[in-house]
Amino acid sequence: SQTIHQWPATLVQPVGSPLSLECTVEGTSNPNLYWYRQAAGRGLQLLFYSVGIGQISSEVPQNLSASRPQDRQFILSSKKLLLSDSGFYLCAWSVSEWYQETQYFGPGTRLLVL
Amino acid sequence: KQEVTQIPAALSVPEGENLVLNCSFTDSAIYNLQWFRQDPGKGLTSLLLIQSSQREQTSGRLNASLDKSSGRSTLYIAASQPGDSATYLCAVRGAGGSYIPTFGRGTSLIVHP
Repeated sequence: SQTIHQWPATLVQPVGSPLSLECTVEGTSNPNLYWYRQAAGRGLQLLFYSVGIGQISSEVPQNLSASRPQDRQFILSSKKLLLSDSGFYLCAWSVSEWYQETQYFGPGTRLLVL
Repeated sequence: KQEVTQIPAALSVPEGENLVLNCSFTDSAIYNLQWFRQDPGKGLTSLLLIQSSQREQTSGRLNASLDKSSGRSTLYIAASQPGDSATYLCAVRGAGGSYIPTFGRGTSLIVHP
């Protein structure tokens, strides 16, 4: 069966510090991978998605970046965090199946920037 | 651009009631629609997926329907229980433009004993 891992679960970082959040998927090959942010009182915002190694699409311009160094690994990074980067970060995966394509989410990382 | 709206934003009901949660979308050119559940501080759990050619899907006490032509889906929860308390989100995967799912903001449900 497939599983998706995210770490850390919780992170408190000072403004201006770097960030690295990791997401890995097990039990599937060549998944589509997604990074979302969910801020308090707001909906789910798509940040990045990837259809393959080294292929990253950015949905929202910001000080965050994403990388996919391996097929089932997706990393969200920042060189300098802003207060507005606080939120709940969710990684998700799916396999391209057109009408049957189902999205599965990880447990999330709670980020607080102080 | 696809827009997804969920009504109501919040709902509080006594245990045992049958519930209907609504999801509407503006572009009917879709591949599928997926319903999720999110508990506080947790990730999203997939509940049901309806393909664009289907009218409904059922899982236990949950039934989701899809009327693509009118841009609507409903999630029916039968005999609600306190354990059903969560936020319910719908997501539409478009066929006419971006393939990426578009999410609604969710309905926050509280079922009290």
